[in-house]
Amino acid sequence: DTGVSQNPRHKITKRGQNVTFRCDPISEHNRLYWYRQTLGQGPEFLTYFQNEAQLEKSRLLSDRFSAERPKGSFSTLEIQRTEQGDSAMYLCASSLYKGGLYEQYFGPGTRLTVT
Amino acid sequence: GDSVTQMEGPVTLSEEAFLTINCTYTATGYPSLFWYVQYPGEGLQLLLKATKADDKGSNKGFEATYRKETTSFHLEKGSVQVSDSAVYFCALSGVGAQKLVFGQGTRLTINP
Repeated sequence: DTGVSQNPRHKITKRGQNVTFRCDPISEHNRLYWYRQTLGQGPEFLTYFQNEAQLEKSRLLSDRFSAERPKGSFSTLEIQRTEQGDSAMYLCASSLYKGGLYEQYFGPGTRLTVT
Repeated sequence: GDSVTQMEGPVTLSEEAFLTINCTYTATGYPSLFWYVQYPGEGLQLLLKATKADDKGSNKGFEATYRKETTSFHLEKGSVQVSDSAVYFCALSGVGAQKLVFGQGTRLTINP
């Protein structure tokens, strides 16, 4: 079990640039989630996929954000025209149905800084 | 909507002290409840969980009991260690919902 991996771990970008993050879930997990965590707060849900289908999106996910999971394996999260308010830790999690619930396993996160 | 409220931090204790971190929730029905821990420089790790009323989750000496009557899921440990220093998050997954809703986190520091 190699765990959930995320790349890059850190990204510094200038306001207005586009950025893309990648998440590789645990191999047998069919669900994948994205969360955003700002300093001193708990993670907030952005979106989730079951296999390649995106089944729910938070209102936090503005039109500048797009997430894909094209083959039901890895996922990408793209932010277009970044703003300083996008600075946060972006967390990915994956899950498998076990014991009556989907238990989520988190990756280390990608820390985005928009200057 | 669903929400989780944790006790304000930071919390500082001496080694071997008793720990309680309060967590209360608002949700319809019977959500599943979780405690996650984030050690410095690491990702969130599931510490323990409970899926129905009166269930007790336990792991690494930590315990929490799902109390429906008080909508609470307080985290306790009888004797903390320096290695328990971390940020602790209470979370819920609502009935029929797939996402986790987190509290704001409580930073715990244990001094030797």
